[in-house]
Amino acid sequence: DAGVIQSPRHEVTEMGQEVTLRCKPISGHDYLFWYRQTMMRGLELLIYFNNNVPIDDSGMPEDRFSAKMPNASFSTLKIQPSEPRDSAVYFCASRTGGRYYGYTFGSGTRLTVV
Amino acid sequence: DAKTTQPTSMDCAEGRAANLPCNHSTISGNEYVYWYRQIHSQGPQYIIHGLKNNETNEMASLIITEDRKSSTLILPHATLRDTAVYYCIVRVLGRDSNYQLIWGAGTKLIIKP
Repeated sequence: DAGVIQSPRHEVTEMGQEVTLRCKPISGHDYLFWYRQTMMRGLELLIYFNNNVPIDDSGMPEDRFSAKMPNASFSTLKIQPSEPRDSAVYFCASRTGGRYYGYTFGSGTRLTVV
Repeated sequence: DAKTTQPTSMDCAEGRAANLPCNHSTISGNEYVYWYRQIHSQGPQYIIHGLKNNETNEMASLIITEDRKSSTLILPHATLRDTAVYYCIVRVLGRDSNYQLIWGAGTKLIIKP
């Protein structure tokens, strides 16, 4: 089991550019979560999916952020246009819908917008 | 908002037991307590969870008070690799009648040689 896989590991981009973050959840996990972590705000839930369907996107900061899950093995988080205040570590996590509700997190993508 | 309060930081000597407290005085009867930790530059890692009984696994023990208003995570023999931020979390019901974790600021645990 390779765990939750995120790419890229680091991303540096200029303000105004489009950024796409990618996540491959653990096979068989039917929940997928996108989190953002900053020193100021800690770990924030942005959006989560159940069986590829977005359930709660109330944490998405604004319309510049969008997330998709076209199939059970892939999800993207897109920021367009990016701004310096979007600089953070973005984590993807997945879990099963069974009795054990433990999340497995990826290693994160460190995004720097200059 | 997080339903838990934890000390901002703690120190513990290597080889000793690390006891991390957590208050969750507004917890509801069917809400579980979860503990995760985050080692620098890594994603959070699940440690243990419980409802009202004490729990133990290969990583740690979880002691929940009888009134469920507080709990303590115990790392029995702390090592330098246990230095991390430890999050105490109450699992709450989400929008799709399934459960979500609401994260607080955590406790930064520093293990000293």
